Amino acid sequence: EAQVTQNPRYLITVTGKKLTVTCSQNMNHEYMSWYRQDPGLGLRQIYYSMNVEVTDKGDVPEGYKVSRKEKRNFPLILESPSPNQTSLYFCASSLKAGEILNTEAFFGQGTRLTVV
Amino acid sequence: GQQLNQSPQSMFIQEGEDVSMNCTSSSIFNTWLWCKQDPGEGPVLLIALYKAGELTSNGRLTAQFGITRKDSFLNISASIPSDVGIYFCAGVGYKLSFGAGTTVTVRA
Repeated sequence: EAQVTQNPRYLITVTGKKLTVTCSQNMNHEYMSWYRQDPGLGLRQIYYSMNVEVTDKGDVPEGYKVSRKEKRNFPLILESPSPNQTSLYFCASSLKAGEILNTEAFFGQGTRLTVV
Repeated sequence: GQQLNQSPQSMFIQEGEDVSMNCTSSSIFNTWLWCKQDPGEGPVLLIALYKAGELTSNGRLTAQFGITRKDSFLNISASIPSDVGIYFCAGVGYKLSFGAGTTVTVRA
């Protein structure tokens, strides 16, 4: 089954404790990206990756890191989480940035992060 | 980042009504997407548009890629209660940018 898998789905952590949210896709997609969703602000892009070893900042990259060492995985790293990073996070993938062949397997299920 | 203006922000609609929402941008996009997010769930991609002027349907949903490549609209015909949710537009240029969303609530 084609899918984008995020883990964990829910996470509560304390300020400053490094964490990683994983994202994996099984469709050999080149393009992957991370978004955060906050009330009234829609989905804002954090980082994106056009292919392996190619990553770039989105609109709100501060406080986040990513890596793309292999095509299927695109982890989101918070080196020192702060309360303003409490949000709902989504990973997305597509064949290329503008080519979406499978409309159902595009977004992960989301990770709700709370930083206290 | 690339700015997308999505309107309306929210709407209350009567079951059976047809509704429209749209997105505009100052930038040209190569692809327009429309997604829906059900309460408590992640977004799901509904329609992808690849050519200026393209009109695409998915059941009761119809979306169009504006001829200027700077806008797109989504129509929902004959609304039903399960149409409740947040609808997002997204434009793909050198990266993918989302609108702020339109929250749809259906009155039975």
